[in-house]
Amino acid sequence: EDKVVQSPLSLVVHEGDTVTLNCSYEVTNFRSLLWYKQEKKAPTFLFMLTSSGIEKKSGRLSSILDKKELSSILNITATQTGDSAIYLCAVENYGQNFVFGPGTRLSVLP
Amino acid sequence: KAGVTQTPRYLIKTRGQQVTLSCSPISGHRSVSWYQQTPGQGLQFLFEYFSETQRNKGNFPGRFSGRQFSNSRSEMNVSTLELGDSALYLCASRTDRETQYFGPGTRLLVL
Repeated sequence: EDKVVQSPLSLVVHEGDTVTLNCSYEVTNFRSLLWYKQEKKAPTFLFMLTSSGIEKKSGRLSSILDKKELSSILNITATQTGDSAIYLCAVENYGQNFVFGPGTRLSVLP
Repeated sequence: KAGVTQTPRYLIKTRGQQVTLSCSPISGHRSVSWYQQTPGQGLQFLFEYFSETQRNKGNFPGRFSGRQFSNSRSEMNVSTLELGDSALYLCASRTDRETQYFGPGTRLLVL
């Protein structure tokens, strides 16, 4: 059965800190890995990764995929209170199913 | 471009009733997927519709069903509601090649 694991499940940091969120997966026929940010409502898309070793960046957020280790990390530098959210990792297989991890709840304190 | 819309946004029902939720995808998106999100189980895939046909299905009982119309709008129906069906129901749409974009969700409370 396809599975996505995220760690840590919960994290509390102070503004200005750098955080690294982890995602590992067991999926047959891997197609892509996605990161989403969920605040109060719908998850919003951050990154889609398909190739190993290529870093995707958007401002203070960046992510990289390691297909050999079946994992990905999401880095957030110089965290702000607005980064407080649940960060979801999802993996898509070639059956076009998405399997989501449990999420990492990030709290950034002022 | 307007985003994914879902109606209603909030719903309260009692056990044994049935409910129908609606989702309008982003214009041009033919794929619509439904998810259930609960604090204990996280985001779980219900089913996906593409061009009016169910393309994929998750591990949910037959009480959960859906359909898609020719304009790509989709509805999800849950019959014989149980307390455990209380959740946020999210709909997501996409073209066949891109990632999916989520709607705001319908929060269902079953009493």
